[in-house]
Amino acid sequence: SAVISQKPSRDICQRGTSLTIQCQVDSQVTMMFWYRQQPGQSLTLIATANQGSEATYESGFVIDKFPISRPNLTFSTLTVSNMSPEDSSIYLCSAPTSGYNEQFFGPGTRLTVL
Amino acid sequence: AQRVTQPEKLLSVFKGAPVELKCNYSYSGSPELFWYVQYSRQRLQLLLRHISRESIKGFTADLNKGETSFHLKKPFAQEEDSAMYYCALGAGGYQKVTFGTGTKLQVIP
Repeated sequence: SAVISQKPSRDICQRGTSLTIQCQVDSQVTMMFWYRQQPGQSLTLIATANQGSEATYESGFVIDKFPISRPNLTFSTLTVSNMSPEDSSIYLCSAPTSGYNEQFFGPGTRLTVL
Repeated sequence: AQRVTQPEKLLSVFKGAPVELKCNYSYSGSPELFWYVQYSRQRLQLLLRHISRESIKGFTADLNKGETSFHLKKPFAQEEDSAMYYCALGAGGYQKVTFGTGTKLQVIP
């Protein structure tokens, strides 16, 4: 199994500002994933962070709004840019660390935008 | 495109009663199905995967390719089973996982 940590655990931000969320894995992984879980909703994949290449974004998500960095095999950041109240959500990172597509999840970052 | 459907947002059962959380999927290839659970104030974690054919905490799930279903079952519900349950589909070697909308299981004492 893997241990995944996220920082910050929660934050309250003002409209128009940006927040960078960090995700750290205790082992090297090829791919890391960023999800959004809006209140009462399921998890929606934002993007896949690949080490050494640009992130791959899902439909409805763009790099200008959610820039992602992946500087090495254990770390990634997701920035939520120019925030609006609609960005209030829980942001989760995950990584598969076995051959079965099993995902290990971080504890999440609860973001509130005022 | 892959899709996971969980028709029930909330399922309430009495302690000791059987539980069945429904999950149907849509995928043209060979799927890998999972059940994830999120207990109150805890992170999302894997409960079981179809490929292992295992029973975890008394829960089992059988992949039925004919009905494209992967229902989660437990013969006797316990109060500690109360949680949010997500069915998930992993497709191919890309390791991308699609989640259903989740079912909240409430076990009544």
